Amino acid sequence: SQQGEEDPQALSIQEGENATMNCSYKTSINNLQWYRQNSGRGLVHLILIRSNEREKHSGRLRVTLDTSKKSSSLLITASRAADTASYFCAPQAAGNKLTFGGGTRVLVKP
Amino acid sequence: GAGVSQSPRYKVAKRGQDVALRCDPISGHVSLFWYQQALGQGPEFLTYFQNEAQLDKSGLPSDRFFAERPEGSVSTLKIQRTQQEDSAVYLCASSLPGAYSNQPQHFGDGTRLSIL
Repeated sequence: SQQGEEDPQALSIQEGENATMNCSYKTSINNLQWYRQNSGRGLVHLILIRSNEREKHSGRLRVTLDTSKKSSSLLITASRAADTASYFCAPQAAGNKLTFGGGTRVLVKP
Repeated sequence: GAGVSQSPRYKVAKRGQDVALRCDPISGHVSLFWYQQALGQGPEFLTYFQNEAQLDKSGLPSDRFFAERPEGSVSTLKIQRTQQEDSAVYLCASSLPGAYSNQPQHFGDGTRLSIL
């Protein structure tokens, strides 16, 4: 399956620290997307990285992709309490549907 | 501009009742998706439309689940003869079409369905 699996399942850090979470998948992909979900809300798109890209930045977010290892990482630098949320990766192969793993629940303590 | 709108936000139904969940995608978005999210889990794909055509319904768990998008904009997910295991959050997402599907999906806040 192309489903992404996030690691760790949960992460607790102090405000100002960096948070890193990883994603592994099993099949070839066109791109890999990261989403954030606050409690009781829908998913918010963070970053899309194409299969021919190795690294991408957006504000305090940095995403890497290693297609040879079928893995990706999401780094949040200088975390804030507002970053508290669940984070999901979604590898996307041919076709349009996204397949999500169970997510990483991040708690940023003030 | 308005995002993806879903209604109702909460729905409580008795086991055996039929329910209908509505999704208003972002204007101009050709692609529309439905996902089911159980508590503490990631969303699971149900079905996908491109305009009014339902191109993938491989994720629908049973023939009690039916989705439509007759005019290529608003979509309705209908669940017949609801069962307790149908309790979940139902998320709708829309996106522009893109080469090799390289487009982000925009999600609504979902409908939380509780079956008693």
